[in-house]
Amino acid sequence: QKEVEQNSGPLSVPEGAIASLNCTYSDRGSQSFFWYRQYSGKSPELIMFIYSNGDKEDGRFTAQLNKASQYVSLLIRDSQPSDSATYLCAVSGGTSYGKLTFGQGTILTVHP
Amino acid sequence: DTAVSQTPKYLVTQMGNDKSIKCEQNLGHDTMYWYKQDSKKFLKIMFSYNNKELIINETVPNRFSPKSPDKAHLNLHINSLELGDSAVYFCASSPPTTVYQETQYFGPGTRLLVL
Repeated sequence: QKEVEQNSGPLSVPEGAIASLNCTYSDRGSQSFFWYRQYSGKSPELIMFIYSNGDKEDGRFTAQLNKASQYVSLLIRDSQPSDSATYLCAVSGGTSYGKLTFGQGTILTVHP
Repeated sequence: DTAVSQTPKYLVTQMGNDKSIKCEQNLGHDTMYWYKQDSKKFLKIMFSYNNKELIINETVPNRFSPKSPDKAHLNLHINSLELGDSAVYFCASSPPTTVYQETQYFGPGTRLLVL
C-alpha cells in the first residue's frame, strides 16, 4: 500500500466548475497535510496546509481533512484554465516526521 | 528576491562523471532538504539538514553526498553518475519541525540528464 495515494487523473473539468481532488494516507500518526500545485517544468508551490479535522478555506480553495478516514481533499471552486496543473498531496508526522511524503499527483485540466 | 535558489538549472553529463548541485536560501530557515522527482513526477525526499546537521538520510546510494557549509546552503554531490540518476532535483527549506511540519519552500529545480 502506498503511503500517500492520489487519483492520478487526468481530471478534466469545465471552466467555472468545482474540481475535487482526493488523497488518502496510510500512517495514522500523520499530523500535517499539504496541497502543492506544480505547473509543468516548475517547482511545487504551496496552496494550502491543514492540521485539524474539518474544512479550511482560502479564497477559491477549500481543504478538507478527515483523520478517522485518513482522507484529505482539495476543492477548487470556479475553476479557471490557469488552475490546470499537477496537484500534489503531501503528509508529514508519524513515520514521516520532519519530512514530506508525497502522493503521485493528480493532473487537473480546466477547459474553457 | 529569490527565496530558494539552485545552480545549475540544467545539467547534462556523461555516465560515470561526478557533478555537484548547489542550493541557497535567504529565508532564514534552519532546515533544508533535497528531493528527487522522477520521470513519473513522483517527488521523494533524499536528505534533510537542520542547522548544518544531517537529520534525514533516506535509502539513497552513497554516491550521493550532501554537504551543508552553513545553514543557508545545502549542496549535493553525485559521484559516478548513472542513467537512473536522470531526474529533477529540488532543494527546499523550512523552519524546524515542532509538533507540526512547517511549510517547505521549493527551489526552481535542477534538471539532470545523464547520457
